[in-house]
Amino acid sequence: EPEVTQTPSHQVTQMGQEVILRCVPISNHLYFYWYRQILGQKVEFLVSFYNNEISEKSEIFDDQFSVERPDGSNFTLKIRSTKLEDSAMYFCAIRDVNEQFFGPGTRLTVL
Amino acid sequence: GQQLNQSPQSMFIQEGEDVSMNCTSSSIFNTWLWYKQDPGEGPVLLIALYKAGELTSNGRLTAQFGITRKDSFLNISASIPSDVGIYFCAGLVYNQGGKLIFGQGTELSVKP
Repeated sequence: EPEVTQTPSHQVTQMGQEVILRCVPISNHLYFYWYRQILGQKVEFLVSFYNNEISEKSEIFDDQFSVERPDGSNFTLKIRSTKLEDSAMYFCAIRDVNEQFFGPGTRLTVL
Repeated sequence: GQQLNQSPQSMFIQEGEDVSMNCTSSSIFNTWLWYKQDPGEGPVLLIALYKAGELTSNGRLTAQFGITRKDSFLNISASIPSDVGIYFCAGLVYNQGGKLIFGQGTELSVKP
């Protein structure tokens, strides 16, 4: 099973601040995903990223969100101006054939 | 949008009992995946299903891909305390970047 790590494990920020969440897949993959999970709810798709560009995004992924893979390894999710409702677990996932493997997540708390 | 309805929402069972949970959708999926999530951790893939009618086992877990491609079930036999957690079904949408649509989850509690 492919391994995915995420940093930080927990991020606390003030409303309106920018945050960057990082995902580091251990081996080379082409497809990357970000999902979020509000406490007690289901996992929701945010964005898929293939060949260094966004291939699909959900309605949650508005102009405040962006993704990039700046150095060909790390895969980042940036939230420019956080809102209270952005508080959630954020999971990075990689695709291996037709299976997706998730990282341990970053818990984002917006105060 | 596409939605998965997963049931039951929660189950409280005795150790050794069998468990069954299922997911239904109004949309067709090409792949069904079942995940388990422990508190504060990411979902862990249990079983992947690729063909309608497929029945796949992984230890005490058995899952089936429905004939209509709109449903799937997961069975856990002879439950043990470490089976406790939240189980999610997920349908893979190929033509939308391969995103996963998740069910609401089934929270399983096992009493020793």
